[in-house]
Amino acid sequence: EPEVTQTPSHQVTQMGQEVILRCVPISNHLYFYWYRQILGQKVEFLVSFYNNEISEKSEIFDDQFSVERPDGSNFTLKIRSTKLEDSAMYFCASRKQGAGVFSYEQYFGPGTRLTVT
Amino acid sequence: EDQVTQSPEALRLQEGESSSLNCSYTVSGLRGLFWYRQDPGKGPEFLFTLYSAGEEKEKERLKATLTKKESFLHITAPKPEDSATYLCAVQAPQGAQKLVFGQGTRLTINP
Repeated sequence: EPEVTQTPSHQVTQMGQEVILRCVPISNHLYFYWYRQILGQKVEFLVSFYNNEISEKSEIFDDQFSVERPDGSNFTLKIRSTKLEDSAMYFCASRKQGAGVFSYEQYFGPGTRLTVT
Repeated sequence: EDQVTQSPEALRLQEGESSSLNCSYTVSGLRGLFWYRQDPGKGPEFLFTLYSAGEEKEKERLKATLTKKESFLHITAPKPEDSATYLCAVQAPQGAQKLVFGQGTRLTINP
């Protein structure tokens, strides 16, 4: 069964450093997402990406964040200068094209645990 | 603003003891309500999608139902392996991409 994969599973970085989190979405999916979950809190939306551009982003997704689909399979999230409060689990998700007014489910990867020290 | 509230926050049951989890939502123009299961340190695992009030979906010991204001996840004769956090999420009006999640219900099934 196809699944979303993410690397690395755990990333430790120092404050101020740049990190790139990588994701391989399910191959026939067209919509890609990043979410994050701070320990003990809700899963929060960061950004959605469709047709090679950002289609929606949250207030969290400021100028320190960027996303890219560098080739036909990878989808990346870059944090330019990490802060302590960026420590969280970061989940990549993907979904198929919707059917009319309805939306298909998003499938999530296993996550990358980012620890900023 | 779209909101999702789940109750209870935590639920502890004995094996075989059936119960229900609640998800209340306020959203303008629901495009889908989704149930996920999340194990500790893992990503959300898709369970069900519900689109319209009155709709029901079943999978093994789980059954999800939907009204205009809330959804229930019914667990019948649960087993210890059903222990997990169950997340409810809604997708809002057409054009919006994001899922809005509730805080989850942490379910523990004791053998």
